[in-house]
Amino acid sequence: AQTVTQSQPEMSVQEAETVTLSCTYDTSESDYYLFWYKQPPSRQMILVIRQEAYKQQNATENRFSVNFQKAAKSFSLKISDSQLGDAAMYFCAYGTNNGGSQGNLIFGKGTKLSVKP
Amino acid sequence: DVKVTQSSRYLVKRTGEKVFLECVQDMDHENMFWYRQDPGLGLRLIYFSYDVKMKEKGDIPEGYSVSREKKERFSLILESASTNQTSMYLCATLGGTRGRQPQHFGDGTRLSIL
Repeated sequence: AQTVTQSQPEMSVQEAETVTLSCTYDTSESDYYLFWYKQPPSRQMILVIRQEAYKQQNATENRFSVNFQKAAKSFSLKISDSQLGDAAMYFCAYGTNNGGSQGNLIFGKGTKLSVKP
Repeated sequence: DVKVTQSSRYLVKRTGEKVFLECVQDMDHENMFWYRQDPGLGLRLIYFSYDVKMKEKGDIPEGYSVSREKKERFSLILESASTNQTSMYLCATLGGTRGRQPQHFGDGTRLSIL
């Protein structure tokens, strides 16, 4: 069974600095997708960034980028120029493209990011 | 934008009550999901549905049931609520090619069982 591990329950970053959130996963599949979701306090969970396993190029969305290391099964999120609005719970998620579980996500336990002014 | 609406943000019920959590989406998505979110445990899948009247058990279906009579609505039912079902419940939808697309979430329902 697939698993997703976020080893940092909490992280803190100074405003305008860069922070990296870690995520590792375990799977025997070759076709899958990885996601980072952000959940601000008392607000809706939203997609931050998505990576397709067959793509070697790391995904980037503005200040957010990933370091996808397929062989190491690692999928870290880098936030550059951190802003106060980046404070949230961040979840790493694995999505399979196979069989009956297609589209289902397996989530890590989350990393709570604080941003200091 | 996808709109996923959960009927209540906060709900307080008593042990033994039958509880309904409603989720409605406006994007004609085939797939809908119910998760519960607990501190330190992340999100865990309760049930999902990939079509009207279809349902599949997720990782923690015990104590729950679901109903999907219309494409846009997916209901989570606690047949006899217990205190260990106090949690945040999240509904999500997914359209298009499953696996390729991200899920879209509602605001969540924080349910307290007294």
